[in-house]
Amino acid sequence: NAGVMQNPRHLVRRRGQEARLRCSPMKGHSHVYWYRQLPEEGLKFMVYLQKENIIDESGMPKERFSAEFPKEGPSILRIQQVVRGDSAAYFCASSPLAAVSYNEQFFGPGTRLTVL
Amino acid sequence: TQLLEQSPQFLSIQEGENLTVYCNSSSVFSSLQWYRQEPGEGPVLLVTVVTGGEVKKLKRLTFQFGDARKDSSLHITAAQTGDTGLYLCADSYGNKLVFGAGTILRVKS
Repeated sequence: NAGVMQNPRHLVRRRGQEARLRCSPMKGHSHVYWYRQLPEEGLKFMVYLQKENIIDESGMPKERFSAEFPKEGPSILRIQQVVRGDSAAYFCASSPLAAVSYNEQFFGPGTRLTVL
Repeated sequence: TQLLEQSPQFLSIQEGENLTVYCNSSSVFSSLQWYRQEPGEGPVLLVTVVTGGEVKKLKRLTFQFGDARKDSSLHITAAQTGDTGLYLCADSYGNKLVFGAGTILRVKS
């Protein structure tokens, strides 16, 4: 059973470009979460999605960031007009249906975004 | 807002030594998870503890959950170089996980 897959593993963008990060959850998992890890801030929640729905985006910056989890295909975290402060490791996690009681989440290897 | 404090921030030991790292919360944990993260990789779930006073063992790792469910410890016996990594504790807060800053463990051969 394959784990959570993320691509690309490394992404370099110039200021003002767009970054698209992809996440395929574990088989049988219908809940996807995105987290960002900055050296000085640790791992922080960004957004929680189920198929075709954004459930909780309380950790997502209000501008330039968006996320989706379509009926078919991977979840996408999109960052428009990137700035140097967006440089970070972005992790996707997934959990199976009805994981609310323990909320065990399984993480992918991450995408390291570098903005030049 | 819940705050998770982990200590120590950094620990460097020799192979074969024992160590303990700690996680304390400003409020009662819903459920506590311990993760290990190696450089360049994502966090890997080690254990979930739910019940106050609970003790779980995973080979050389022993996890304890405080009776009041506000603190936890991770004890590693006879550390190996493969134990090197960032150890994170996390609590479930609604739909999301709230993480501590972590303990960086370096085991030298």
